Amino acid sequence: SQQGEEDPQALSIQEGENATMNCSYKTSINNLQWYRQNSGRGLVHLILIRSNEREKHSGRLRVTLDTSKKSSSLLITASRAADTASYFCATDASNQAGTALIFGKGTTLSVSS
Amino acid sequence: SAVISQKPSRDICQRGTSLTIQCQVDSQVTMMFWYRQQPGQSLTLIATANQGSEATYESGFVIDKFPISRPNLTFSTLTVSNMSPEDSSIYLCSVRQPTGEFFGPGTRLTVL
Repeated sequence: SQQGEEDPQALSIQEGENATMNCSYKTSINNLQWYRQNSGRGLVHLILIRSNEREKHSGRLRVTLDTSKKSSSLLITASRAADTASYFCATDASNQAGTALIFGKGTTLSVSS
Repeated sequence: SAVISQKPSRDICQRGTSLTIQCQVDSQVTMMFWYRQQPGQSLTLIATANQGSEATYESGFVIDKFPISRPNLTFSTLTVSNMSPEDSSIYLCSVRQPTGEFFGPGTRLTVL
């Protein structure tokens, strides 16, 4: 079953605008990670935020985490055409082997020039 | 972060055949993971592969269909057996490090 759910499912913006994607999850977590995937290629790791952190920055990316609301957001500032991709959040969950990542369905971002 | 490579990057196979996907990491890691991403979908964990022990499979995935080897701390293989068109997916391996879980470039499999 999927733990994380992103919204919106799709987002279209102009270059230079900001893009905000949200992720909600169901159970308690140790950390939450955001990934980018270009055209069905491999996943690029963007940011890991731990459950005791509220905000992290990496370049033009800002991630927030609200554990009371079981939600996270990814903000991309001053977007570029190269940011066009699918973005996924993933939360850790317990399984037989220990913990595993559970992925949301993803947000497809399209940035037009 | 670890550098992860996969072979092949893509393949087109006939139904009923098997394909073995290789995953190589540039450093020793305890746990490696195999995921499937069906067309237009998100990622689903197939199994966790630890060196020296049998892989642990998630619900809906069985060893006969997806046998996994983990001969050492830098390498793993996933075999997709007796393939059908429904197995057409991207298969990705990953490793977990303190800074996060990192993925290989994926193997795009098409089954005709």
